[in-house]
Amino acid sequence: RKEVEQDPGPFNVPEGATVAFNCTYSNSASQSFFWYRQDCRKEPKLLMSVYSSGNEDGRFTAQLNRASQYISLLIRDSKLSDSATYLCVVNVLGFKTIFGAGTRLFVKA
Amino acid sequence: EPEVTQTPSHQVTQMGQEVILRCVPISNHLYFYWYRQILGQKVEFLVSFYNNEISEKSEIFDDQFSVERPDGSNFTLKIRSTKLEDSAMYFCASRGLTSGRETQYFGPGTRLLVL
Repeated sequence: RKEVEQDPGPFNVPEGATVAFNCTYSNSASQSFFWYRQDCRKEPKLLMSVYSSGNEDGRFTAQLNRASQYISLLIRDSKLSDSATYLCVVNVLGFKTIFGAGTRLFVKA
Repeated sequence: EPEVTQTPSHQVTQMGQEVILRCVPISNHLYFYWYRQILGQKVEFLVSFYNNEISEKSEIFDDQFSVERPDGSNFTLKIRSTKLEDSAMYFCASRGLTSGRETQYFGPGTRLLVL
């Protein structure tokens, strides 16, 4: 089982759609969780940290279920500029950070 | 937004040569990382650094690699004798509390090409 597993994608959605990304992690010692976006040939950019209580930032909502070792990201009212690869990132015991392979999102007009 | 800087942005080197990649992390962060991303592949963890020592390293981070924080601000990754397969984008990142929330920010990367 991969340490961090994401939907393989790609996702092709029209503008305005709601899109959900799923991620599971295998290491129960994982402590911190993040969603990043990465544009082609650019560095990963932090989108959100993910907390057990769930958190929302504008059109973006992230959820964490520690019991199921599952993380999600919801994007509402998607924009063309949301087109990117979305990376699920897990930090284990503070020192080792593991990236999922990413899910590519294409938002079309 | 605070930022991590990296130099150089691009580096071309001959196989067997040593390269040093440099990073300036965010000043109040305490955890530092190096990652690499081979073109078209996922981001891979190389090493983490905390309290002036390596805290964790991956299988990729063999004896050819070393890190140090020589002056309290710069954070460097050295590859002693580069191989063709070391060609990749190398990202530095730092992690700490920003506005009370844990954050990890990446630098823009150094694209390394080994010929």
